[in-house]
Amino acid sequence: EIVLTQSPGTLSLSPGEGASLSCRASQYVASSSLAWYQQKPGQAPRLLISATSIRAAGIPDRFRGSGSGTGFTLTISRLEPEDFAVYYCQQYGYSPLYSFGQGTRVEI
Amino acid sequence: QLRQSGPGLVRPSETLSLTCDISGDSVSSNTAAWSWIRQSPSRGPEWLGRTFYRSKWYDDYAVSVKGRITISPDTSKNQFSLQLNSVTPEDTAVYFCARQGVGDTLYTFDVWGQGTAVTVSS
Repeated sequence: EIVLTQSPGTLSLSPGEGASLSCRASQYVASSSLAWYQQKPGQAPRLLISATSIRAAGIPDRFRGSGSGTGFTLTISRLEPEDFAVYYCQQYGYSPLYSFGQGTRVEI
Repeated sequence: QLRQSGPGLVRPSETLSLTCDISGDSVSSNTAAWSWIRQSPSRGPEWLGRTFYRSKWYDDYAVSVKGRITISPDTSKNQFSLQLNSVTPEDTAVYFCARQGVGDTLYTFDVWGQGTAVTVSS
């Protein structure tokens, strides 16, 4: 079973600062199969990035995804107040067919 | 858009049943797939299973719930449903339905339902 490990668990930052969130996979993940989501309290996750680096519709360009193999990164430049949330990475292709990391909380 | 419905309280050993109504797409789409995902408090989401149509109906389930889960489409109502049998308190979670995307969003979940908080308790 593949395991996605996200770090750090919590990032404490201020608006205007940058954030770098890591997602490490226990096995190789194809670049086409790695995604990132944002989740706010009481809401469903929202797709941010697909295929490692493709921003979903309506996602601002301050969100950037990168990486390959077993290491992937979500970078948020110039945090806006609405960016404070929990972020999850997700892979497709192993057992289970889809799996998520445990999340990184970005807090003020 | 996806709209969920179903009870928020289920007794232990009974069956959890939820429905997801689809608008703006078809459960019989030859490109989309339709999943159920749950999330326990303070944990990452857990994919449970999916159904999809590619000239015939298919389904896939997570090993963690295989044997207890059925996800089935209803083409007459353009919806799909989740049945999880023999529930225990460990099945307490928020349950989401979601669409697997197409094209650039393939292998992701690009549309989600609003979530249903389900508690398993007597």
